[in-house]
Order: sequence, then structure tokens, then C-alpha cells
Amino acid sequence: QQPVQSPQAVILREGEDAVINCSSSKALYSVHWYRQKHGEAPVFLMILLKGGEQKGHEKISASFNEKKQQSSLYLTASQLSYSGTYFCGTGPFTGTASKLTFGTGTRLQVTL
Amino acid sequence: DAGVIQSPRHEVTEMGQEVTLRCKPISGHDYLFWYRQTMMRGLELLIYFNNNVPIDDSGMPEDRFSAKMPNASFSTLKIQPSEPRDSAVYFCASGWTGGNSPLHFGNGTRLTVT
Repeated sequence: QQPVQSPQAVILREGEDAVINCSSSKALYSVHWYRQKHGEAPVFLMILLKGGEQKGHEKISASFNEKKQQSSLYLTASQLSYSGTYFCGTGPFTGTASKLTFGTGTRLQVTL
Repeated sequence: DAGVIQSPRHEVTEMGQEVTLRCKPISGHDYLFWYRQTMMRGLELLIYFNNNVPIDDSGMPEDRFSAKMPNASFSTLKIQPSEPRDSAVYFCASGWTGGNSPLHFGNGTRLTVT
């Protein structure tokens, strides 16, 4: 079943912060985060594993709450380049890039 | 590294025609995935391979869809016959078994079936 992301869309001014949430009805072992710009392929941002938290990209970090089956992506001091659609991908196994199910997506627009 | 290479970038075909999409994964990656992206359904996993062997094809929508991976450097996704509802962007992605492995996506093939 597809993870649910919230919000569906958000508009920020440059420099503002944002939080994107990803919730799953199934137990989570790993969560991937990707960003896709219009007309391009999704690009990997970071991966979080059960029992850990990993910061992977620019001023973007994430958390992973196994009990709540949720992950959140934090974008700090947003830049114009952060604009795009963010997807979480949840996996049945830790680490191995196998059978990710992607969320519904969150469209982020950063303006001047 | 050249990344994941897909061809063609765009494909326009008429209903009933056969369509073949191609993918070259990153050298050394042992997982290959085919995803389909539409506005309505988002990114859907169609099938994935591990060491050239199909592991899970439960996402393949119908028998009209088939995928092969004859060797570690090449995979195809075929639709025969194609239908207008197959119109979407098809992504190939590769990854490897090592811990913390991300997916590397190709640039996708935009398929339009008229």
C-alpha cells in the first residue's frame, strides 16, 4: 500500500523552513527520500534505516519514527533550488534497494 | 560514470503497436527496477530483477507487459499491444545490494499511445 505524504503541496519564500511527512500503514525498515524536478528523473536525497537517522544532503535532514511508522523530511533555510516534488519510498528490508513503494508526493515551490 | 541510460527518451505510437523500452543500468549494480509514473497513480513499481533474474513482477499490469534482462548491462520492457492508457513516463532504476544503497534513475521514456 502506498505511503501517504503530507502536505500535498507547499509554497515557501526563500529562507523559510518546511517539513514533509510520510506515513505508512505497514512496518517500516527503511525510508528513502527523493526529489524530482519537472521533466527530470527522481534524485536520491537520503536513506533512513530502522534504528538510525542519517543526514544526507545540503540543509536537508530527516527523522524516522518506527513506532509511528512515519518519516519526516526537514528543509532548512530553503533555496530556490529546493523546488520540486519530494517522494518518500518505503522498503521492506534494511538498506538494500529492493522493492520500494513510493508515496503520493509533495510538491514544493520556493519563491523569492 | 554515465548513470542509468534509457532509450528512447520519447515514444509516440498508435494503439495496437508493439513498444520496446530499453535500459542500461550502472555497471556493478545488481538490482534493476522498472517504474511507471502517471499523475493519477504516481510512481508504481512494475518489476524488478536481481542478478538478471526477475524477482517480483506483481506490479506488471497485464499480460501485455513483459520485461527481460538477458545480461547485467541490458534490460527491456515490452508492451504488446499498446493501449492509450499505457501512456506514462517509464523509469528504469538500478541499485546494489550493499547497505544504504539508493536507487539511481534513468531519465525516463515518455510514452504516448494514440
